[in-house]
Amino acid sequence: GENVEQHPSTLSVQEGDSAVIKCTYSDSASNYFPWYKQELGKRPQLIIDIRSNVGEKKDQRIAVTLNKTAKHFSLHITETQPEDSAVYFCAATSFGGTSYGKLTFGQGTILTVHP
Amino acid sequence: GAVVSQHPSRVICKSGTSVKIECRSLDFQATTMFWYRQFPKQSLMLMATSNEGSKATYEQGVEKDKFLINHASLTLSTLTVTSAHPEDSSFYICSARPARRLITDTQYFGPGTRLTVL
Repeated sequence: GENVEQHPSTLSVQEGDSAVIKCTYSDSASNYFPWYKQELGKRPQLIIDIRSNVGEKKDQRIAVTLNKTAKHFSLHITETQPEDSAVYFCAATSFGGTSYGKLTFGQGTILTVHP
Repeated sequence: GAVVSQHPSRVICKSGTSVKIECRSLDFQATTMFWYRQFPKQSLMLMATSNEGSKATYEQGVEKDKFLINHASLTLSTLTVTSAHPEDSSFYICSARPARRLITDTQYFGPGTRLTVL
């Protein structure tokens, strides 16, 4: 099955700095890579996603890059703000067959943005 | 946007009792729903995949006789934790994937259910 590794486990930055979280995956069949933000006791919220036919995607201060050859993808947050503080999870899945798109999550990164 | 609800949001029960958690897609049909468990400060671990009208598919290590899943309609899936024990205390989250004809990859998560077994 798929295995997703996420680093770092904790990340502390100053407001206005950039933050980068990296994930690697093992299954070359994976073709969809979402990123979620989860606040304490709340549901995961999709913040950005990327499909395997695209190398980069950007949405305002958030961007995701994908390297299929190396099987890794990264989340980039620029101009961080205190409200960006949360736990971030990467995930991977493949569509087709009997997988039904089930997600395998990384271990999570606790991002703290200091004012 | 697509909304998924869960009920109850929080439940406390005695050891040995059974607890049922409902997951509903409110404004879309979901042929597939997923159940996750999340222990404190850990990631989401998939427990099972639930497809409407068929038996659920459980992940390795998840006891199907302990965690009963029923997906009776395109908008409702239920998870029943039978004979709950303190080690079953966790945050249970469902997600729903819209019917394939909507051509979307996104899963929509419910708000979660905090289960505490005394």
